[in-house]
Amino acid sequence: DAGVTQSPTHLIKTRGQQVTLRCSPKSGHDTVSWYQQALGQGPQFIFQYYEEEERQRGNFPDRFSGHQFPNYSSELNVNALLLGDSALYLCASSLGVGSGNQPQHFGDGTRLSIL
Amino acid sequence: QKEVEQNSGPLSVPEGAIASLNCTYSDRGSQSFFWYRQYSGKSPELIMFIYSNGDKEDGRFTAQLNKASQYVSLLIRDSQPSDSATYLCAVNEEGSQGNLIFGKGTKLSVKP
Repeated sequence: DAGVTQSPTHLIKTRGQQVTLRCSPKSGHDTVSWYQQALGQGPQFIFQYYEEEERQRGNFPDRFSGHQFPNYSSELNVNALLLGDSALYLCASSLGVGSGNQPQHFGDGTRLSIL
Repeated sequence: QKEVEQNSGPLSVPEGAIASLNCTYSDRGSQSFFWYRQYSGKSPELIMFIYSNGDKEDGRFTAQLNKASQYVSLLIRDSQPSDSATYLCAVNEEGSQGNLIFGKGTKLSVKP
């Protein structure tokens, strides 16, 4: 049973560049959420996708955008990278819209470093 | 500002003891509560979830929820050195379709 997979595992970018992170949900899951985790902090919700639409968004600027594909996989795009965007980016999958009650399962994350 | 508060620790317990991890939350309408374990440099791993007041047991883990006090805890019995990790408490936002609000985590150290 395949879990949540994310790619790449590590990425180094410079300020002003753009980055795309990818996520495939756990088998049987159809909802993908993205989180940002800074060092020493808990994960912070970026947004959630279901049926190829952004269903909910956290307090992140428009530089952060996403997409969900028909096979439920998802991408997170970040434009005009800032030093403060350096963090571990986590993808979590769950089942069903209104899945506030459904456990979310995390992938291994992408560690993004901005120089 | 909806918040989830955890003591950052470190919480140090001897091997074989009970570790007690606590969490309080500000959103009285929260419905679902989750505990994740995160090893250093790794991603969070779901270990328990609870929706109703009372206790829920799974192996060596017991989650306890008291909605009136807005308090949720995790007990780890017979603690092992492999339990040494950061434990994250997460709460769903009222009316949310999936926005989990996380605490900063409690670092647990189990000494052999």
